[in-house]
Amino acid sequence: DAGITQSPRHKVTETGTPVTLRCHQTENHRYMYWYRQDPGHGLRLIHYSYGVKDTDKGEVSDGYSVSRSKTEDFLLTLESATSSQTSVYFCAIMPDRGAEAFFGQGTRLTVV
Amino acid sequence: TQLLEQSPQFLSIQEGENLTVYCNSSSVFSSLQWYRQEPGEGPVLLVTVVTGGEVKKLKRLTFQFGDARKDSSLHITAAQPGDTGLYLCAAHGAGSYQLTFGKGTKLSVIP
Repeated sequence: DAGITQSPRHKVTETGTPVTLRCHQTENHRYMYWYRQDPGHGLRLIHYSYGVKDTDKGEVSDGYSVSRSKTEDFLLTLESATSSQTSVYFCAIMPDRGAEAFFGQGTRLTVV
Repeated sequence: TQLLEQSPQFLSIQEGENLTVYCNSSSVFSSLQWYRQEPGEGPVLLVTVVTGGEVKKLKRLTFQFGDARKDSSLHITAAQPGDTGLYLCAAHGAGSYQLTFGKGTKLSVIP
């Protein structure tokens, strides 16, 4: 299994609070992605990174920010959580463009 | 961002039946991937198709990439309950680092 760990695995938070999800890899892969998965919507890309300090927005980036200060860690921050951000969040890593993407186990986030 | 449309969205069949799911787009792709996801887990790669017209087989699963590299299909022969899951197609946009997924086909194989 690819060395990719998401933390926390589950979180319940209140509306308006900041939340940070962490994705940690031990594979030294260049590309890292954050997706959210909701019923009827499949996997939607939030943000991605193509190198340290190199990040860009995906299709559903509003309300989210990311940081990648070192190769192994990609952080997703919800600055002020809203109920619409209740979802399952997946991190993925990839060594090269077009190669296999390896996914973490997911983080189930509930905003109440 | 290119749109990947998958059909059908849901499929419930009896064990032993054959099925085909589709992934279509108006964009041309350099490659396209199929993933399978089980409940509570992240998606896992099944196959990558690269050449227009390419056919790849993985046991009872047959993957085809359209000649124009805009569409793909996944055919399962003699489906088994273990095939149950969410099947997702994914692709990179031209010159893009984004990896975009279709909405998936949720397959249930009834014993």
